[in-house]
Amino acid sequence: QKEVEQNSGPLSVPEGAIASLNCTYSDRGSQSFFWYRQYSGKSPELIMSIYSNGDKEDGRFTAQLNKASQYVSLLIRDSQPSDSATYLCAVNGAGSYQLTFGKGTKLSVIP
Amino acid sequence: EAQVTQNPRYLITVTGKKLTVTCSQNMNHEYMSWYRQDPGLGLRQIYYSMNVEVTDKGDVPEGYKVSRKEKRNFPLILESPSPNQTSLYFCASSFQGGGGSNQPQHFGDGTRLSIL
Repeated sequence: QKEVEQNSGPLSVPEGAIASLNCTYSDRGSQSFFWYRQYSGKSPELIMSIYSNGDKEDGRFTAQLNKASQYVSLLIRDSQPSDSATYLCAVNGAGSYQLTFGKGTKLSVIP
Repeated sequence: EAQVTQNPRYLITVTGKKLTVTCSQNMNHEYMSWYRQDPGLGLRQIYYSMNVEVTDKGDVPEGYKVSRKEKRNFPLILESPSPNQTSLYFCASSFQGGGGSNQPQHFGDGTRLSIL
């Protein structure tokens, strides 16, 4: 059974701080990694994808991937109250059509 | 507008009464999938489809059926619903499936099912 682990939180950070969200996965053959944001009562929306080791930046968001250590992280710089949501890590295995999600980390940005 | 449309959005029904949740996408996506989301358990995949007439089980397929007769539609069928199927259900689609593709999944707005 492929597993994706996240701390459930809640993770509370003050406005303007950096929020750091972490995710580990069990399938060493995983190739595609995604971060989704889900506001309460809404559907998940993709905010970042990463496929190779290293960092990928998009605005205030940076995804980091370390395949050797089997972890992927999401940094949110200059956190805003509107970033308060649950962040879902999702992982695809090699040659797999399945996307496995972690249980999500709830982030709360305090004004 | 590119979208995944689920119906109904909300449904309260009784044990054993067959129901169908419809899902339709207008992006010509090959891959479609159903998830259920439960508190503390996260998003779990029920079934997925790689293309017309090609479906496969996800992690929690028991009690569900699907069909993919047309590319745009992927209905979820509960033949004999039970209270443990009370959940929030999401349909999603992407151009291709996972595994190396760079195509993210687009989610519908969700269907909240309550089985009494």
